[in-house]
Amino acid sequence: QKEVEQNSGPLSVPEGAIASLNCTYSDRVSQSFFWYRQYSGKSPELIMSIYSNGDKEDGRFTAQLNKASQYVSLLIRDSQPSDSATYLCAVKVGSSNTGKLIFGQGTTLQVKP
Amino acid sequence: EPEVTQTPSHQVTQMGQEVILRCVPISNHLYFYWYRQILGQKVEFLVSFYNNEISEKSEIFDDQFSVERPDGSNFTLKIRSTKLEDSAMYFCASKGRVDQPQHFGDGTRLSIL
Repeated sequence: QKEVEQNSGPLSVPEGAIASLNCTYSDRVSQSFFWYRQYSGKSPELIMSIYSNGDKEDGRFTAQLNKASQYVSLLIRDSQPSDSATYLCAVKVGSSNTGKLIFGQGTTLQVKP
Repeated sequence: EPEVTQTPSHQVTQMGQEVILRCVPISNHLYFYWYRQILGQKVEFLVSFYNNEISEKSEIFDDQFSVERPDGSNFTLKIRSTKLEDSAMYFCASKGRVDQPQHFGDGTRLSIL
């Protein structure tokens, strides 16, 4: 059973701080990793995708991937109250040609003004 | 920016009735998906569809479920005889190429009474 694990939180950070969200996955051959943001009652919204080891930056967001440790993280710099949401880690199953995503439970982030 | 469109936003149905959830994927996308999210739980893969056929389905996607792309723009999920446990948010997603991320629609909240 391929799994994606996240700490459900809540993770509470003050406005302006760095929020660090973590995710581990069990399928060693997975190659594609995604972070989605989900506001309560809404659909997942793509934030970042990462395919290679290392860091990938997009504005205030940085995704980090370590395939050897089967670990992917998301850093949010200068956190804003509008960043308060649940962040879903999703992994494209390695053996799937169709691109099926396995999601983690999500980490709830609370940014306090 | 193009988006995935789902209708209706909320569907209330009596147990045992058939329900059809509709999706219009992003134009020129080739890969289509249905996921569901029971309240408070993970987003779960149901089925993927490519080249006018199902390419992969989960254990959840049993004989009561079917998908269709009837006219080249719509992508539908049918549940033949709904059960109470089918109550969930159902998300449609699409992507253009195998190496691209999936983009999600706003979802249909299905409530079975």
